[in-house]
Amino acid sequence: EPEVTQTPSHQVTQMGQEVILRCVPISNHLYFYWYRQILGQKVEFLVSFYNNEISEKSEIFDDQFSVERPDGSNFTLKIRSTKLEDSAMYFCASSVGRNTGELFFGEGSRLTVL
Amino acid sequence: AQSVTQLDSQVPVFEEAPVELRCNYSSSVSVYLFWYVQYPNQGLQLLLKYLSGSTLVESINGFEAEFNKSQTSFHLRKPSVHISDTAEYFCAVTLIPSGGSYIPTFGRGTSLIVHP
Repeated sequence: EPEVTQTPSHQVTQMGQEVILRCVPISNHLYFYWYRQILGQKVEFLVSFYNNEISEKSEIFDDQFSVERPDGSNFTLKIRSTKLEDSAMYFCASSVGRNTGELFFGEGSRLTVL
Repeated sequence: AQSVTQLDSQVPVFEEAPVELRCNYSSSVSVYLFWYVQYPNQGLQLLLKYLSGSTLVESINGFEAEFNKSQTSFHLRKPSVHISDTAEYFCAVTLIPSGGSYIPTFGRGTSLIVHP
């Protein structure tokens, strides 16, 4: 069964460092998403991506964040200069279309910022 | 904007007992509703969804949820739980806008812990 894969599963970094989280969406899916969950809090929407551009983003997705699809298979989330409050589980998701909101998620990447 | 409230952060229950995980939402427009499940060390998986039609929807592993528009709720139930149902359960809602994006909003999750 096709699945969304994410790497790394866990990354520890120092405050101020750049981090890149990688995702390989399901191959025939067209829409891609990043969500995050700070421990004990809600799963929060960060950004959606379609046709090689951001289609929507939340208030959380500020200038420190960027996404790209560099090679037609990977979908990456970059945090330019990490802060302590960026520590969270980051989930990548993909969907075939955008007409219901049914998403397929990866296992998540846990980011710990020290 | 819509919001999702899962009132219980943790629900402990004994095996074979019934369980209800509560979910309420707020929205001024029509919605689609979802329950996702996250088993340990895995990603979120769709458990069941309400898009239209019958307000009672079922999953293949015995869970069901009922859309109650007047109470803006979508509670998840199972009459008899198994140890293997131990997982994190997330309720999500998507607006049905007239030209919008269908980005789901999630609750904070409820940890279902099934004891032998």
